[in-house]
Amino acid sequence: DAGVIQSPRHEVTEMGQEVTLRCKPISGHDYLFWYRQTMMRGLELLIYFNNNVPIDDSGMPEDRFSAKMPNASFSTLKIQPSEPRDSAVYFCASTPSGRGSYNEQFFGPGTRLTVL
Amino acid sequence: AQKITQTQPGMFVQEKEAVTLDCTYDTSDQSYGLFWYKQPSSGEMIFLIYQGSYDEQNATEGRYSLNFQKARKSANLVISASQLGDSAMYFCAMRVIVDAGNMLTFGGGTRLMVKP
Repeated sequence: DAGVIQSPRHEVTEMGQEVTLRCKPISGHDYLFWYRQTMMRGLELLIYFNNNVPIDDSGMPEDRFSAKMPNASFSTLKIQPSEPRDSAVYFCASTPSGRGSYNEQFFGPGTRLTVL
Repeated sequence: AQKITQTQPGMFVQEKEAVTLDCTYDTSDQSYGLFWYKQPSSGEMIFLIYQGSYDEQNATEGRYSLNFQKARKSANLVISASQLGDSAMYFCAMRVIVDAGNMLTFGGGTRLMVKP
């Protein structure tokens, strides 16, 4: 069982560059979440998808951020242009629907982004 | 709106002793789930334990137990017989069932340090 897969694990880029983070959810999970974690703001939900459709993107900080889920097994989070304040760990998580209230979210290992 | 509060930014515990990490929540919904996650220094998010709002028994998973006091809206995590490997950040989270979006709201976390 592969778990949630994220790539790259570490990304260092310069301000103004485009950054693309990738996520492969667990097979059969129909919810996918993107989180950002910083010391100052903790864990923030950026956007989530259900059956590949974006449901709530109210956590996306600004237009420089965009996310897509072209199919059930792949999602991207893009930042263009990147800024130093985007430096954070970005987590992807997935969960199946159903099973009542018990819906543990399975987290990927995260991508540590540093924008210089 | 849902809110999770973890009032202890950091805690020390002596190895082999028990420790309680506090979590209070705020919701007007009757049906919800409470989760605890562990984040070691390596960064991954590890699911520990779950409690449903209608569960009459406190949840237990090995050395982890959840002290659920519904009237007080608290869901404290108890770790028995602390081990050095328990040193990590611990996050409390909540999901409201009526929220079809399956979202989790996270608290700010507690950093636990186990002393040898």
